[in-house]
Amino acid sequence: SQQGEEDPQALSIQEGENATMNCSYKTSINNLQWYRQNSGRGLVHLILIRSNEREKHSGRLRVTLDTSKKSSSLLITASRAADTASYFCAGAGDYKLSFGAGTTVTVRA
Amino acid sequence: GAGVSQSPSNKVTEKGKDVELRCDPISGHTALYWYRQSLGQGLEFLIYFQGNSAPDKSGLPSDRFSAERTGGSVSTLTIQRTQQEDSAVYLCASSFYRDSNQPQHFGDGTRLSIL
Repeated sequence: SQQGEEDPQALSIQEGENATMNCSYKTSINNLQWYRQNSGRGLVHLILIRSNEREKHSGRLRVTLDTSKKSSSLLITASRAADTASYFCAGAGDYKLSFGAGTTVTVRA
Repeated sequence: GAGVSQSPSNKVTEKGKDVELRCDPISGHTALYWYRQSLGQGLEFLIYFQGNSAPDKSGLPSDRFSAERTGGSVSTLTIQRTQQEDSAVYLCASSFYRDSNQPQHFGDGTRLSIL
């Protein structure tokens, strides 16, 4: 079963704008991970935030985690056409990942 | 190889046939996972292998599904008597060891279509 839900399901933005997507999860986690999937490809790991962290940055990515609300957000700043993809959050328990349904992001040139 | 390799990349077969999907993990990765991704959906966990330990088969949807991992490396996922609802992309991932803080590295998947 899937861990939770992502919001929005789809997002269309102009190149240079920021993209924000949210994820809610249901059970306790050790960490939360975000992955990107380009059409017809596998998933690529973007960033991991541990349960005792509240915010993490990596390049143009910013992730927040609120364990009291069981939610996380991913912000992509200064988006590029190459950021067009589906983005998935995954809650990690002991070793399994439970994925959300994903947010499809389209960046218009 | 540099990444996780899956074969075939596409498979079309008739309902009732058996299919075998293959996964070559990254060299040195002891943990291997299989997931199923249905159209427009997230990933559904199927099975997990870690070294020589007994696999976690808790995600397999029916007894028509089985998987093995030979020599701690290559894994095959077998679906017997395929049904149309088995149509999906089957993704394999590996990680360095059994630890949720290790990112998983994914192959590009096998797109399975059951006619």
